[in-house]
Amino acid sequence: ETGVTQSPTHLIKTRGQQVTLRCSSQSGHNTVSWYQQALGQGPQFIFQYYREEENGRGNFPPRFSGLQFPNYSSELNVNALELDDSALYLCASSLRGGYTEAFFGQGTRLTVV
Amino acid sequence: AQSVTQLGSHVSVSEGALVLLRCNYSSSVPPYLFWYVQYPNQGLQLLLKYTTGATLVKGINGFEAEFKKSETSFHLTKPSAHMSDAAEYFCAVSENFGNEKLTFGTGTRLTIIP
Repeated sequence: ETGVTQSPTHLIKTRGQQVTLRCSSQSGHNTVSWYQQALGQGPQFIFQYYREEENGRGNFPPRFSGLQFPNYSSELNVNALELDDSALYLCASSLRGGYTEAFFGQGTRLTVV
Repeated sequence: AQSVTQLGSHVSVSEGALVLLRCNYSSSVPPYLFWYVQYPNQGLQLLLKYTTGATLVKGINGFEAEFKKSETSFHLTKPSAHMSDAAEYFCAVSENFGNEKLTFGTGTRLTIIP
């Protein structure tokens, strides 16, 4: 088991609402990446945070935003939820320049109704 | 731009038989390659990775993969399947190691027949 924890594990939101997902990175890691995994698909890179700044972004609209805190934990915020935002959201932590792989959390299952 | 193609969204093998899951990639730079496994309602667990050096990579649970640059492939194999191997398997590519922004394939669901 990795030291990456995500909360909540499941949640249900209504279309148009806003949601915040949280990720606590593994001890010693300074980089957090977020991925969206739709049902039956592979994870897709949303964005990455390093030293509290966004460090790369995938093909996701601005209503997907994030934060990284001084303790390297992170939040993913999604505004104006759409039905297609229903997915498993995965957080991965890594050590930039550490030449070790990223470790994934268990994910948050978001359902938009 | 990077991409990953996993041939076969579903693969079924008998217990004790060879497991072969296929992965082809494209990358404009020397790639870093990964195989992850995902059990139901869980996150991703790293099986093995290729960074540099030896092209045959051994991972956990008896899995191994061979990086073939000429074929742009990184197929995953296991000599003898076990019931506990039933899961979803993802191949991924990255341009960096230690700072990955991973590009994943669409996954292969492996079913083990008793």
